[in-house]
Amino acid sequence: QKEVEQNSGPLSVPEGAIASLNCTYSDRGSQSFFWYRQYSGKSPELIMFIYSNGDKEDGRFTAQLNKASQYVSLLIRDSQPSDSATYLCAVNRGGSYIPTFGRGTSLIVHP
Amino acid sequence: GAVVSQHPSWVICKSGTSVKIECRSLDFQATTMFWYRQFPKQSLMLMATSNEGSKATYEQGVEKDKFLINHASLTLSTLTVTSAHPEDSSFYICSASPSGSVIIGTDTQYFGPGTRLTVL
Repeated sequence: QKEVEQNSGPLSVPEGAIASLNCTYSDRGSQSFFWYRQYSGKSPELIMFIYSNGDKEDGRFTAQLNKASQYVSLLIRDSQPSDSATYLCAVNRGGSYIPTFGRGTSLIVHP
Repeated sequence: GAVVSQHPSWVICKSGTSVKIECRSLDFQATTMFWYRQFPKQSLMLMATSNEGSKATYEQGVEKDKFLINHASLTLSTLTVTSAHPEDSSFYICSASPSGSVIIGTDTQYFGPGTRLTVL
């Protein structure tokens, strides 16, 4: 069983819609959770991190964490074509400096 | 803040030569830096964890004699690909976590822009 799982996609949404990206993890000791965006040919760029159960909002992005169900999601409101990229979920176990990355979900926002 | 640079951004070399890639944290100190490799359309693969002042920790299957890592200061780590071969052609990315910001399990990694290596 993979430690951090993401649907590879592609997830295709129309411009202006809400894109919902999901990530599940297997380690119940996980304490910190990250979402990165990676454009083709570029390195990952941090979007958000979340530590506590519930929602965390930053502009058009909302991260949702549910530790009991072991999932973390990323919502992108008012999706734009420029949001088209691969979104990586990363999870840190408590006391660990090394996050485990999912394989990423490809998002396509079409005009 | 939290900017990480890499140099060079791309390099083409002949088979059998060695290539050094530098990773610098520009506005913070990083006790720990990480080196990743990514092949086209594949996920990030952690190669090694670089610790300032000590030997790097390599992931299983990564040859430490081929991928030499030196983390000589709190702002610089280098990866040297020795005797490079075409199969080493890849996108190499480093990342760093700010020192002194540690709450257990909450370090955030910031990635460099990556180095694209092509071995002919």
